[in-house]
Amino acid sequence: NAGVTQTPKFQVLKTGQSMTLQCAQDMNHEYMSWYRQDPGMGLRLIHYSVGAGITDQGEVPNGYNVSRSTTEDFPLRLLSAAPSQTSVYFCASSYLGPWGPDTQYFGPGTRLTVL
Amino acid sequence: AQSVTQLDSQVPVFEEAPVELRCNYSSSVSVYLFWYVQYPNQGLQLLLKYLSGSTLVKGINGFEAEFNKSQTSFHLRKPSVHISDTAEYFCAVSDQETSGSRLTFGEGTQLTVNP
Repeated sequence: NAGVTQTPKFQVLKTGQSMTLQCAQDMNHEYMSWYRQDPGMGLRLIHYSVGAGITDQGEVPNGYNVSRSTTEDFPLRLLSAAPSQTSVYFCASSYLGPWGPDTQYFGPGTRLTVL
Repeated sequence: AQSVTQLDSQVPVFEEAPVELRCNYSSSVSVYLFWYVQYPNQGLQLLLKYLSGSTLVKGINGFEAEFNKSQTSFHLRKPSVHISDTAEYFCAVSDQETSGSRLTFGEGTQLTVNP
């Protein structure tokens, strides 16, 4: 199992450009999430999905779009990049165990810089 | 809405000393609680979790945490730390209504173990 994979690892954008961060998991998890990590702020939830075709907003959704057409993939789209979106982005997946949520598995992250 | 506060942003300790990383949470409903660790330039991995049952939870690498409902705390402890424990540690909470699909993270505690 590859677990959770993210591409690219690094990206530099100019203000106003658009791009898609890719996330894939091979564990057949129902739940997938996107977080951003900024110094001193921990991880903040951007969007999440509880299954194919179902997505919802997290804490900081503005400027980002997601879709979930398959169980495996959960891409994050930046529509018009802004310097405030400079961050490290993590994708995670999990499933519900008998007692509740199981472990969230995190990808290695994408470091994005917007100039 | 739920929130998490990690009371110490940085904790320096000497090798083989005990350590406690403090985490308080607030929520209007019952919660699940987690501790994750992040080594430099890597994604997060689960240390331990509290879903139900015994309030003392044991995790990987000799860490344990105790859920205290009356004090709304979930402090992480290790009786004797190693240099390799140097990392950033995140406390996280999810409420039982959303079944773990939304994690709220604390700001993180940087643990530095000195020789």
